[in-house]
Amino acid sequence: QVQLQESGPGLVKPSETLSLTCSVSGDSLGTFHWTWIRQPPGKGLEWLGYIDYTGNTNHKSSLKSRVTMSIDTSKKEFSLKMNSVTAADTAMYYCARLAGGVGSGTLDIWGRGTMVTVSS
Amino acid sequence: SYVLTQPPSVSLAPGKTAKITCGGNNIGRKSVHWYQQKPGRAPVLVIFYDSDRPSGIPERFSGSNSGNTATLTISRVEAGDEADYYCQVCDGGSDHVVFGGGTKLTVL
Repeated sequence: QVQLQESGPGLVKPSETLSLTCSVSGDSLGTFHWTWIRQPPGKGLEWLGYIDYTGNTNHKSSLKSRVTMSIDTSKKEFSLKMNSVTAADTAMYYCARLAGGVGSGTLDIWGRGTMVTVSS
Repeated sequence: SYVLTQPPSVSLAPGKTAKITCGGNNIGRKSVHWYQQKPGRAPVLVIFYDSDRPSGIPERFSGSNSGNTATLTISRVEAGDEADYYCQVCDGGSDHVVFGGGTKLTVL
């Protein structure tokens, strides 16, 4: 049974860099796209981007300059870095597995999420 | 970029049938997936590829997709179905993942 677990600081200061890691257990990272999604308090889901096992990435256009994604297949984990954060980046951050390809895929497995608050 | 439109809320009595719509330009040509999110919990996939149900999801949940509208149907609604529901597609041009704004289902 595949499980995902997010980890990282729950509090980040404005203008600093948010760093999160998602650990994958129960399966290898191959053939899927590993995805980051966030949800500000009381709001809807926002896709941030994904990375595949070769390191190819695709990001939401409005965040592209601030977001970096990486993957470590040996550790079975992938990471998100977002620089120059503001209060608007305060959200629950989820990692998820995109299955079925990037043209029509579904997010079939999600982590429990980790809350990140941007505040001084 | 591709836009998905959902009604903000749907309310109905227990035992009734809920229909939650997801509108998008020629969405019938895309694969639509639906997620249920209860308060304080991560989203859970309830319908994938328009009308398939993951194991463990009750048969009361079904989906359809045609033209400019995809629909999630929940038959014989129960109090436990109260949640936010999100539709999702992949935008073929950019390969971006797109979510609808979400629909809050209230069981009266």
